[in-house]
Amino acid sequence: LAKTTQPISMDSYEGQEVNITCSHNNIATNDYITWYQQFPSQGPRFIIQGYKTKVTNEVASLFIPADRKSSTLSLPRVSLSDTAVYYCLAVGVGNEKLTFGTGTRLTIIP
Amino acid sequence: GAGVSQTPSNKVTEKGKYVELRCDPISGHTALYWYRQSLGQGPEFLIYFQGTGAADDSGLPNDRFFAVRPEGSVSTLKIQRTERGDSAVYLCASSLREAMNTEAFFGQGTRLTVV
Repeated sequence: LAKTTQPISMDSYEGQEVNITCSHNNIATNDYITWYQQFPSQGPRFIIQGYKTKVTNEVASLFIPADRKSSTLSLPRVSLSDTAVYYCLAVGVGNEKLTFGTGTRLTIIP
Repeated sequence: GAGVSQTPSNKVTEKGKYVELRCDPISGHTALYWYRQSLGQGPEFLIYFQGTGAADDSGLPNDRFFAVRPEGSVSTLKIQRTERGDSAVYLCASSLREAMNTEAFFGQGTRLTVV
């Protein structure tokens, strides 16, 4: 089971680009890297998922190098509403149970 | 409804009592997950259903916890002889289990308080 490691907390100013890195040295061949966002008093919300290279959607970008031992979630031009906890997970066939760690608590400063 | 629905949203119960927490997944979603979350912690996996059967129940902490999904849709998490340590937010999620799709949709949770 791939364990993921990410920083406990990060601060950033509004308008900046934020990059949150996740380490997953033992990721399985079948696993995808998936990121969730959680606001207080809400369930986690899917942000983005990727296998290799770069994935971009309307919310974020995900960069995964060729060795897949790490990944970086990139949030462009953050706003106060991006203050949340962000979780990095390795998920795939045979590893479906969505194992959450403690996540990264991102605080956006005005 | 369009999303995952959990009822009740809040439940206060006395130590030793039995509680049931209900989850209505998104229609057509075959996978259903239960998690519990304590303050400041990430969601802790409890059990995962694929259809009617429990594909992985390795997260259930002890035999006081049990979950069912008899028709492959609604699921109920049952906790017997509740203890104060069971107090947490219980989250349910559902997803389509197509090979490339692992996006899970979470409900708002049930906040359980055991007094």
